[in-house]
Amino acid sequence: AQRVTQPEKLLSVFKGAPVELKCNYSYSGSPELFWYVQYSRQRLQLLLRHISRESIKGFTADLNKGETSFHLKKPFAQEEDSAMYYCALRSYGQNFVFGPGTRLSVLP
Amino acid sequence: SAVISQKPSRDICQRGTSLTIQCQVDSQVTMMFWYRQQPGQSLTLIATANQGSEATYESGFVIDKFPISRPNLTFSTLTVSNMSPEDSSIYLCSVGSGWTPEAFFGQGTRLTVV
Repeated sequence: AQRVTQPEKLLSVFKGAPVELKCNYSYSGSPELFWYVQYSRQRLQLLLRHISRESIKGFTADLNKGETSFHLKKPFAQEEDSAMYYCALRSYGQNFVFGPGTRLSVLP
Repeated sequence: SAVISQKPSRDICQRGTSLTIQCQVDSQVTMMFWYRQQPGQSLTLIATANQGSEATYESGFVIDKFPISRPNLTFSTLTVSNMSPEDSSIYLCSVGSGWTPEAFFGQGTRLTVV
């Protein structure tokens, strides 16, 4: 069965500090992995996906198939990064499975 | 990308009544999804709605409680029937297709049942 876990419900860091939001998944095939973000009073939106191997707003995420992880990282957190972050996986043509989410709070 | 309009944005309803949530997309999409996000929880898929076929419901969700319509490729509705306080939640419409891997979301409908 497909499953996504995010062990931290809340992560607090100081501005300028590195941040890592953990995500692990279980899936027997080759999933697509995504990170979605929800800022206060805004809709859920895509942050990045593993197939793009891109950096968005300074965030990167590397898919590690051996560890079945897709951790989200940023070297220097900013206050505007404070939001709810969801890791999600999808197999082609199928629905998304979302993790429980991690609330990131960047302190001044 | 797709722009999704969801109505109403919020409502307070009496128990035992029903509420229909509308989802309008600015482009034709193959797959539309309805999610529920209970307070402090992640998104749980209710059903997948493809145009021209019956909606496919996930375990724990049934058509009698959450009937869905998908009359065309740009519109869908979700009805929450015979509501109870346990149905208080945010309901989200999402779209995707086999060609674009990511999902796009509506702003959600915050439902409170009293």
